[in-house]
Amino acid sequence: DAGITQSPRYKITETGRQVTLMCHQTWSHSYMFWYRQDLGHGLRLIYYSAAADITDKGEVPDGYVVSRSKTENFPLTLESATRSQTSVYFCASSESRVLAGENEQFFGPGTRLTVL
Amino acid sequence: AQSVTQLGSHVSVSEGALVLLRCNYSSSVPPYLFWYVQYPNQGLQLLLKYTSAATLVKGINGFEAEFKKSETSFHLTKPSAHMSDAAEYFCAVSPRGGGGNKLTFGTGTQLKVEL
Repeated sequence: DAGITQSPRYKITETGRQVTLMCHQTWSHSYMFWYRQDLGHGLRLIYYSAAADITDKGEVPDGYVVSRSKTENFPLTLESATRSQTSVYFCASSESRVLAGENEQFFGPGTRLTVL
Repeated sequence: AQSVTQLGSHVSVSEGALVLLRCNYSSSVPPYLFWYVQYPNQGLQLLLKYTSAATLVKGINGFEAEFKKSETSFHLTKPSAHMSDAAEYFCAVSPRGGGGNKLTFGTGTQLKVEL
């Protein structure tokens, strides 16, 4: 299917376990992003990537790891999940133009993660 | 650093009434500005964006927003609310002149539309 997809859509895990959230886009967009959404905080940027093999930290990167070996995939790993990482996670992608800041970001449907 | 403030975490209007959702930004240089909408259990989708052409920007579903530099504001309006407009709305900014296309979001405004 065309677009941006996330898997799984729902995940329940336990404290200390490793969890990987997947994100896949079919547009060949250069930029990809991971956000978490929490009540009262809006969306906060965790990590982003400008291209394959190029990643950088966002506002709240602690406890998360990302990789981007292929343009279309941008997995997010929680190395040792904590309860404070219970959240809804959104992946997004955007094109890269000369005036990069004006580009629209396209969002996936989200993954609801619960850490017990 | 840029920031965005959305006044009112919850706004309630009657169907057919004016919708006004407020957004103020803090930035030394006017940034790119966006409004996104999120329907229940879905991702965000773009309503409209300001990139420096016209200060009055028209978006989808009858929404529009006006960029006012003197007030550092980018309020979202719709003349007549519809039940289908009930959703959460996010204002966001992206820096000019670099910054890697990153968005900084406000905390969101939940719009309720009543009969």
